[in-house]
Amino acid sequence: KAGVTQTPRYLIKTRGQQVTLSCSPISGHRSVSWYQQTPGQGLQFLFEYFSETQRNKGNFPGRFSGRQFSNSRSEMNVSTLELGDSALYLCASSYPELGADTQYFGPGTRLTVL
Amino acid sequence: GDSVTQMEGPVTLSEEAFLTINCTYTATGYPSLFWYVQYPGEGLQLLLKATKADDKGSNKGFEATYRKETTSFHLEKGSVQVSDSAVYFCAQTDNAGGTSYGKLTFGQGTILTVHP
Repeated sequence: KAGVTQTPRYLIKTRGQQVTLSCSPISGHRSVSWYQQTPGQGLQFLFEYFSETQRNKGNFPGRFSGRQFSNSRSEMNVSTLELGDSALYLCASSYPELGADTQYFGPGTRLTVL
Repeated sequence: GDSVTQMEGPVTLSEEAFLTINCTYTATGYPSLFWYVQYPGEGLQLLLKATKADDKGSNKGFEATYRKETTSFHLEKGSVQVSDSAVYFCAQTDNAGGTSYGKLTFGQGTILTVHP
């Protein structure tokens, strides 16, 4: 099976812009989680989607949003970018219906905000 | 709240040395425990996992045992190689459901450098 894919791999934006990142889960996985990784804060949970519904959300401002499509692909959007949003954004997929909570990660999207 | 604490790094070893990276957790439910590894410029790769007390996860010579009595999940390898140089993350998820859906809580990561 193909692994989790994320596009684009690298992005450079300026403050105030918005950005959309995409994640395609492993075939058959219906849960997609998003994380932000920074040197200062480490890995922080953003949100999780299952069957097109957001089931869980971390402590991030409303500028961070996401959605999931019927084919389980997910997007996350960050509006009004700030310098502090520069980070590696990782998505992960899992197959929780079987009670399997193991998450498999994509390579990430490196976002730089200038 | 739930948290994971890893030993301070970085860790520098010579090839064939013994590796231990300590990890302790706090959780209100019944967590599954994981070790992930991250190589430069890449995402996280699952290294091993354990889903209940006394389980031992193992992969590629790495091992970790789920110790409920000490709330620990220490990573060990008997003989490290240069190719093991990476950042290692301990993580937990809570099997209680509800607000834990799809959420992994990570430790801060431990940088491992192995010299020839």
